[in-house]
Amino acid sequence: QVQLVQSGAEVKKPGASVKVSCKASGYTFIRYYMHWVRQAPGQGLEWMGIIDPSGGSTSYAQMLQGRVTMTRDTSTTTVYMELSSLTSDDTAVYYCARGGSYRSFISWFDPWGQGTLVTVSS
Amino acid sequence: DIQMTQSPSSLSASVGDRVTITCRASQGISNYLAWYQQKPGRVPNVLIYAASTLQSGVPSRFSGSGSGTDFTLTISSLQPEDVATYYCQKYNSAPFTFGPGTKVDIK
Repeated sequence: QVQLVQSGAEVKKPGASVKVSCKASGYTFIRYYMHWVRQAPGQGLEWMGIIDPSGGSTSYAQMLQGRVTMTRDTSTTTVYMELSSLTSDDTAVYYCARGGSYRSFISWFDPWGQGTLVTVSS
Repeated sequence: DIQMTQSPSSLSASVGDRVTITCRASQGISNYLAWYQQKPGRVPNVLIYAASTLQSGVPSRFSGSGSGTDFTLTISSLQPEDVATYYCQKYNSAPFTFGPGTKVDIK
């Protein structure tokens, strides 16, 4: 079955960077776009960006431009999300979620990873 | 960018009640709209996509309608296991914006 398994919780100091991984299995990795979504405590869902695992092209949310980098490793079917210059506002659960197929990125998100809690605290 | 709004932000209803949640896009998005359910402490799961198509395995008491800018999620008979926050999302283009959510609980 399609499964996305994320790396474990992280605690970072303000100004540091964090890199979260998402290992995909159960489908052809390069054929589906992957998204990252985050959710601050008690808040809603915020789309962060999308990566095409086939070619590595990306598109990021405007408010994260310059701080977020999404990459992939096709040999391990893993996508990564790195966020730099962390502040307390970046404390959130970070999810990866599979999107559309190689024919079109236009699709709902299914399934989602289990989430990774990133806590930014001095 | 297209903005997504939802109403109400929260509601409380009795078991068996019919519940309706509204989602509005600031510009037309055809039927490129999904609804997600997020139970407390859990991962979001898609309920409906293409505005009205029920995801496999989702109970038939859930239904969706709408096109363009105005959309509706209906729970025909609210059950205790439906306590959750419901989000709409546009997915026709980036940014793939979510609505702010509607929290549903039992009266």
